[in-house]
Amino acid sequence: AQSVTQLDSQVPVFEEAPVELRCNYSSSVSVYLFWYVQYPNQGLQLLLKYLSGSTLVKGINGFEAEFNKSQTSFHLRKPSVHISDTAEYFCAVARDDKIIFGKGTRLHILP
Amino acid sequence: KAGVTQTPRYLIKTRGQQVTLSCSPISGHRSVSWYQQTPGQGLQFLFEYFSETQRNKGNFPGRFSGRQFSNSRSEMNVSTLELGDSALYLCASSFPGTRREQYFGPGTRLTVT
Repeated sequence: AQSVTQLDSQVPVFEEAPVELRCNYSSSVSVYLFWYVQYPNQGLQLLLKYLSGSTLVKGINGFEAEFNKSQTSFHLRKPSVHISDTAEYFCAVARDDKIIFGKGTRLHILP
Repeated sequence: KAGVTQTPRYLIKTRGQQVTLSCSPISGHRSVSWYQQTPGQGLQFLFEYFSETQRNKGNFPGRFSGRQFSNSRSEMNVSTLELGDSALYLCASSFPGTRREQYFGPGTRLTVT
């Protein structure tokens, strides 16, 4: 069975500093990987996805993620955060007809 | 293309009542999934409908039910509401063959008093 672990429930970071949000998954077979963002009082929005090919995936708003098969990780990064990045971020793993979401990481941007 | 729409956006109900929430997927999307989001439990999968059939179901009591119509619009119903049912209910649609990439609506905020 698949599972997703987001290691940090909250991450505080200063504005213009880099950030990494961690995601590990467990699966014995190939999976598809996603990061979603949820701004306050809104639904989830797709940030980026890994389906196959290059392990470095670029998404919207300057975010990128790297698929590491040996470490079963899909960490999300941004080199310089902005106050508008304040949101909750969800990692998700999908295979066949099922998708599983992590519990989310709340990103706090400090002025 | 219009996004996923959910109605109503906000709802206040009393314990014991029932509620019906509606979701209209993106045009062409035939799969609709429902999630419950609460601060304590995070995002929890309720069920998924595809071509009017329930394809997957999460671990929720039978008070939670859903259906999908021939135009892919979906409704979910919660009967005999409990205080713990207060949550944001999210609907997501996806297109066949897109490896489960989901598009979410803005959600319905249900408060049970």
